[in-house]
Amino acid sequence: QSALTQPASVSGSPGQSITISCTGTSSDVGGYNYVSWYQQHPGKAPKLMIYEVSNRPSGVSNRFSGSKSGNTASLTISGLQAEDEADYYCNSYASTNTRVFGGGTKLTVL
Amino acid sequence: EVQLVESGGGLVQPGRSLRLSCAASGFNFDDYAMHWVRQAPGKGLEWVSSINWDSGSLDYADSVKGRFTISRDNAKNSLYLQMNSLRPEDTALYYCIKDSYWAFQYWGQGTLVTVSS
Repeated sequence: QSALTQPASVSGSPGQSITISCTGTSSDVGGYNYVSWYQQHPGKAPKLMIYEVSNRPSGVSNRFSGSKSGNTASLTISGLQAEDEADYYCNSYASTNTRVFGGGTKLTVL
Repeated sequence: EVQLVESGGGLVQPGRSLRLSCAASGFNFDDYAMHWVRQAPGKGLEWVSSINWDSGSLDYADSVKGRFTISRDNAKNSLYLQMNSLRPEDTALYYCIKDSYWAFQYWGQGTLVTVSS
């Protein structure tokens, strides 16, 4: 149950696009299409942004998109806004019916 | 509206036990798997345990296996986490979560567990 690998921080200016990567193995990210992404603002509970690699829950802006290639999943935020500044976590289903999170990425909107 | 309200957290000495509860409302509780995820102060998220709709499948992180037990009472719309042999590294905010599409769809606000002498 090793954590997925995310960059510690990313930044971008308003209006720009950023991508956060999430690297695992063939036993988690690469083996299943059950990758999800969460946004967490300080002092708040996390919020589901993407499920099953690329699906958005109702109410989540279409500026958020997800994808996967091999053992690496990605979250892209387009048209960056100040309110997007938050921590982002990926999660994957893993073999032996467990779940594993990434270490988290702090997004700064410059 | 989905609501998940955790309770049972508090300050406990190492080696002691604590039982967390989660009261669920706003959805058909017995149709969904449920999870516990924790977050140590200033740290990232850590999956703790999952239970399927009929308690037929129980899963645990290696860090808590053999010490924590997840359970549910569908008649009471409630989820539980029995935590035994607590360690200082178990100190965290514990979230109760409703599953959907193999993701953590709805989160409670969490209950804080502090393990310290």
